[in-house]
Amino acid sequence: AAGVIQSPRHLIKEKRETATLKCYPIPRHDTVYWYQQGPGQDPQFLISFYEKMQSDKGSIPDRFSAQQFSDYHSELNMSSLELGDSALYFCASSLGGQWAYEQYFGPGTRLTVT
Amino acid sequence: AQSVTQLDSQVPVFEEAPVELRCNYSSSVSVYLFWYVQYPNQGLQLLLKYLSGSTLVKGINGFEAEFNKSQTSFHLRKPSVHISDTAEYFCAVSDTLGGATNKLIFGTGTLLAVQP
Repeated sequence: AAGVIQSPRHLIKEKRETATLKCYPIPRHDTVYWYQQGPGQDPQFLISFYEKMQSDKGSIPDRFSAQQFSDYHSELNMSSLELGDSALYFCASSLGGQWAYEQYFGPGTRLTVT
Repeated sequence: AQSVTQLDSQVPVFEEAPVELRCNYSSSVSVYLFWYVQYPNQGLQLLLKYLSGSTLVKGINGFEAEFNKSQTSFHLRKPSVHISDTAEYFCAVSDTLGGATNKLIFGTGTLLAVQP
């Protein structure tokens, strides 16, 4: 069965650079979530989209922005990168509404900021 | 708002022994409860979920969990573990308010270390 695809899988950037992470949800899923997992920490919710509109927002820095496109894929844009942004970034997808609890996670993008 | 507490950061256990990973939650509204497993350098895989109905839920790989509303707990159990069960286990909660999306709130994780 098709799974959530994230690209790239690994990314190395320097401080103050920008990064773009991409997420391709499972076919027919119209909902995307982004989570950030710092080293040795639990995943923290960043932001979610339903039908191409932002639905909920968590502890996402103002330097980050995200959107969901017409084909339902999503991109997380990160600017002015800081060392503390080094983390594993997960995307999850689901059907929306009453099925929104059934989230399927991608393999993650490991971002290293040097 | 919801929160999740996983009381044990690490649980060492011998192969073929039983194991219980503890999870307690706090919420002012009804919740859905989940257990996810994360193998090294991999994503999160859903082990099992509690939505409603029977308080004992069975998941993949022989795991099961019991929802206890009065104790606000959702402990994960396996009667006999294997070396391959070594991984990080996360308990998570989401509300049941029925919005368009349902963010997950995770606990800090428990490392299950199975020894031969």
